[in-house]
Amino acid sequence: GAVVSQHPSWVICKSGTSVKIECRSLDFQATTMFWYRQFPKQSLMLMATSNEGSKATYEQGVEKDKFLINHASLTLSTLTVTSAHPEDSSFYICSARYPDRDTEAFFGQGTRLTVV
Amino acid sequence: AQSVAQPEDQVNVAEGNPLTVKCTYSVSGNPYLFWYVQYPNRGLQFLLKYITGDNLVKGSYGFEAEFNKSQTSFHLKKPSALVSDSALYFCAVRDGGSSGSARQLTFGSGTQLTVLP
Repeated sequence: GAVVSQHPSWVICKSGTSVKIECRSLDFQATTMFWYRQFPKQSLMLMATSNEGSKATYEQGVEKDKFLINHASLTLSTLTVTSAHPEDSSFYICSARYPDRDTEAFFGQGTRLTVV
Repeated sequence: AQSVAQPEDQVNVAEGNPLTVKCTYSVSGNPYLFWYVQYPNRGLQFLLKYITGDNLVKGSYGFEAEFNKSQTSFHLKKPSALVSDSALYFCAVRDGGSSGSARQLTFGSGTQLTVLP
């Protein structure tokens, strides 16, 4: 299957700072990537759809100014958590689909963000 | 709107016994159905999918799932469970025929499978 790499795997930051998470498709070009947030023992919540070369589409209730998404190339999307607060601590996961095989999604390994 | 229900938060099974993890779905168009497995602090790994064709789908690690249109179910099964199968399992659905937001994956709440030695 396709490989989606997410970096870093975990990060600890201080309140008020910003953190950038990278999501890369290693063996295919992904015109669309997805960012999810997962709380402990809960399901994945779609935050936004990242579109290469255009603005991301955010789900209702997700603050676009807080969770900045950039999809500058066909293999890289970044999620920046700005002015992080402890309530932003969570597990963030990205995924991507083959553009011409629009079926299953492939997921990164996730990023554990802890804001102290 | 599309939705997925995993009625069991936790499933325990003895090693060597068959296991079933239940999933029912709701979607307006043709369902694309998926099972993913998640190990602690890891992303999701794809297990299997149903798009069209045979109702019984075989996937990775000996898992299979049966699509039942009348019952709108897609239960995950394995004939003989291993301790290493212990993980969090997610069922997901998307509408195969729609555009826009309906093409997004909707996940169930997850089922923690524990295989006891």
